[in-house]
Parts: sequence; structure tokens; C-alpha cells
Amino acid sequence: SAVISQKPSRDICQRGTSLTIQCQVDSQVTMMFWYRQQPGQSLTLIATANQGSEATYESGFVIDKFPISRPNLTFSTLTVSNMSPEDSSIYLCSVVGLAGPGGFGPGTRLTVL
Amino acid sequence: KNEVEQSPQNLTAQEGEFITINCSYSVGISALHWLQQHPGGGIVSLFMLSSGKKKHGRLIATINIQEKHSSLHITASHPRDSAVYICAVARLQGAQKLVFGQGTRLTINP
Repeated sequence: SAVISQKPSRDICQRGTSLTIQCQVDSQVTMMFWYRQQPGQSLTLIATANQGSEATYESGFVIDKFPISRPNLTFSTLTVSNMSPEDSSIYLCSVVGLAGPGGFGPGTRLTVL
Repeated sequence: KNEVEQSPQNLTAQEGEFITINCSYSVGISALHWLQQHPGGGIVSLFMLSSGKKKHGRLIATINIQEKHSSLHITASHPRDSAVYICAVARLQGAQKLVFGQGTRLTINP
């Protein structure tokens, strides 16, 4: 299965700032997803990252708050903009490879003060 | 009601015990995943099932499509098995998006 890395692994940020999270895969994948896990909650899909076009957002998530890029088949970024303490979560990327589900990244633990 | 329900939510057992975690779902699925999440937050994919049973080491996963139910078993449990175990389903219509259960927090005491 694909090897997925995320950067940073964790960060502590001040409210009002923005953080960009990177997801890198060691092979080309067909689909990339971004999930959020708020404390004590299950994972929730933020959006599907589309290569070369705008991401597809789930209900409750908007591009202005969570801009996403996917310039090629192995890389995507998620930005958490104008952060507030409610954005403190684990953010995970997930991929679907050519042969099916490819797994999850190790996650980025974000704390907003 | 959540589309994916897990039970129990929390489970504490002694080392060596046989562990069962259950997952029920209410939608048509193309696959079901069992995932393991350690305290650092990273998620490891344990199994992907669409029918029958799979075994990997001390872990066994089964699925009954007709009953919309899956179980994850751990034999000869060990403290290093302590983690949150998450059931997730890929809907039949959903472009491979996953719907997650709330997770089961497992603690194995030595």
C-alpha cells in the first residue's frame, strides 16, 4: 500500500493565524481526502482534493476556511485559515490508490490557543 | 442515529483475554475497514473487508453483509494492543468516501 507522510506532525498556533498541512504520497493515487477529528469525536470528511481543480467540500466546510490544493497526483495541502480554538483537532489525509483504498497519513495534531 | 455504530465504547481487559469489538451499519456498503489509532493520533489500517473473514497475526475480522455487522477479535491480548479501534464503511454510492464509527477505546492491563 502507499506510504503517506504529513507535515507538520503537530503544531501549536495562535488564534487568527493560518496553518498549511502537507500530504505526500510515494505513488500516484486516484483520490485524496482530508479528514478532521475533533477531540473525542469520530473522523469527519472535510473535502475531496481534486487534481488540478477546486476541491469538493462536504456540508459545513467552506473553501475560505479550508483552502485545499492538489497540484499533482502525489501531493496535497490543506490550510486551516483564521484559526480559533475550535479548530484544535487531528487532521488526516487519506488516499485511494489505483488498486483501491491506500490508507491514511499519520495525522497532524493542531492546538489553537 | 449514526450510520455506523460501534460497541462497546470503552473496554478494559486483562492481558491474555480474548477481545471482541462490534460494528453495525445501516447503509449499503462496498467495503468495511477496521482501523487502529494510537494516542499520537496516527491511524493504521488493519483490515478491509467486503465479505467473510480475514486474519492477521492475533487479529481476526469478520463481516456479515446480510446482517450489516462486523466484528474485530484480538486473541491473547497484550498491553501494546491498547488503542482506539475504529470501524469505517465505504458507501455503495459515495466515491470511496468513508463514514466512521465513534471508535472503541481498548485498554489492556498487564
